Amino acid sequence: KAGVTQTPRYLIKTRGQQVTLSCSPISGHRSVSWYQQTPGQGLQFLFEYFSETQRNKGNFPGRFSGRQFSNSRSEMNVSTLELGDSALYLCASSADRGTDGYTFGSGTRLTVV
Amino acid sequence: AQTVTQSQPEMSVQEAETVTLSCTYDTSENNYYLFWYKQPPSRQMILVIRQEAYKQQNATENRFSVNFQKAAKSFSLKISDSQLGDTAMYFCAFMKLLNFGNEKLTFGTGTRLTIIP
Repeated sequence: KAGVTQTPRYLIKTRGQQVTLSCSPISGHRSVSWYQQTPGQGLQFLFEYFSETQRNKGNFPGRFSGRQFSNSRSEMNVSTLELGDSALYLCASSADRGTDGYTFGSGTRLTVV
Repeated sequence: AQTVTQSQPEMSVQEAETVTLSCTYDTSENNYYLFWYKQPPSRQMILVIRQEAYKQQNATENRFSVNFQKAAKSFSLKISDSQLGDTAMYFCAFMKLLNFGNEKLTFGTGTRLTIIP
């Protein structure tokens, strides 16, 4: 059974640009969540999608957005990149309510220069 | 809002020994889940063990077990017969249940565990 796949693994962008990250969940999982991990702030919840609908959102500015497709694959987008957006972005999937635990991908390391 | 506290930033232990990682949390909820995740250098967060708050019995997964003290809001992880592959960052996480949909995971700051050969 394939795990959660995140692409790309590494990304370098310039301040002011925008970026799109992709996440393919485990087959059959309809919930996809995104987290940002930084040394200073730790792991912070960005948003969660279920059946193409955003079900929950963290406390991030509107520059951070996401979407989910009918095959449950999800993308997150960050516009007008800032240096502080440099982080490891982790995607996690679950069958429904996450009570059995989430399965995480290996993340996308974004560096903004 | 929920908070999760891991008071041990770093720990090290000899291979084959037992180590306990501490976690406390603060919530007014009664129905929630607690998790321990490990993050090795490969960056992928791996679920180690989960605990349902309404179950008094402590969860166990092979060499990993928890000591769940609901009244004290404490959720420690014990690793027995530690192995080199246990070297990783360990995160304690809290999740409450909404009526609809997933609640987010709230993570602690992590404990960096090193197993010494």
